[in-house]
Amino acid sequence: GAGVSQTPSNKVTEKGKYVELRCDPISGHTALYWYRQSLGQGPEFLIYFQGTGAADDSGLPNDRFFAVRPEGSVSTLKIQRTERGDSAVYLCASSRGTSSDTDTQYFGPGTRLTVL
Amino acid sequence: AQTVTQSQPEMSVQEAETVTLSCTYDTSENNYYLFWYKQPPSRQMILVIRQEAYKQQNATENRFSVNFQKAAKSFSLKISDSQLGDTAMYFCAFMILYGQNFVFGPGTRLSVLP
Repeated sequence: GAGVSQTPSNKVTEKGKYVELRCDPISGHTALYWYRQSLGQGPEFLIYFQGTGAADDSGLPNDRFFAVRPEGSVSTLKIQRTERGDSAVYLCASSRGTSSDTDTQYFGPGTRLTVL
Repeated sequence: AQTVTQSQPEMSVQEAETVTLSCTYDTSENNYYLFWYKQPPSRQMILVIRQEAYKQQNATENRFSVNFQKAAKSFSLKISDSQLGDTAMYFCAFMILYGQNFVFGPGTRLSVLP
């Protein structure tokens, strides 16, 4: 596609439920990133994929959060037993994944998650 | 660990005027990049300008320019001839050389007034 797309645009769920957030990166981009943006704050890094593998998951807040990218393209961020504090905008970005210092990340429009 | 601070939560400017957004950061790294991203109500983060720390010359991109002071760890963004479409949240961000993830500041909400 022309840009990074994320679905759904908005998701409302109840405390304790399981949710999945999807990211479609730019075609050909091997690197994919997830960020979480809480209200009034800047985005915070969650996890980075190079191809199918999670190269850096140091930003995941706890074991309720998990992400996969089984075919090296689409990625799904999974949140178990959601809590009200998980409410945020979840942003996805992709890049070519080269080692060049000009590897630019392109962001999607995000998914706004609200946990009631 | 790196931190990024933006001390101006909100700013406003008249259309066609010039405005400067402030950003300071803390790092022990010597080689890194600095960025300004714009986030309009659509939520999509748009790269405005980037600066490599090893370059002394300040980056410019049309109406956008930066004042990079490495010793002071300061990285301000100047927007000239402000346009209504510049209204957005602006985030300053840091990335180490060959790093993969950003450290973002808390943002400055800029309103351009007609």
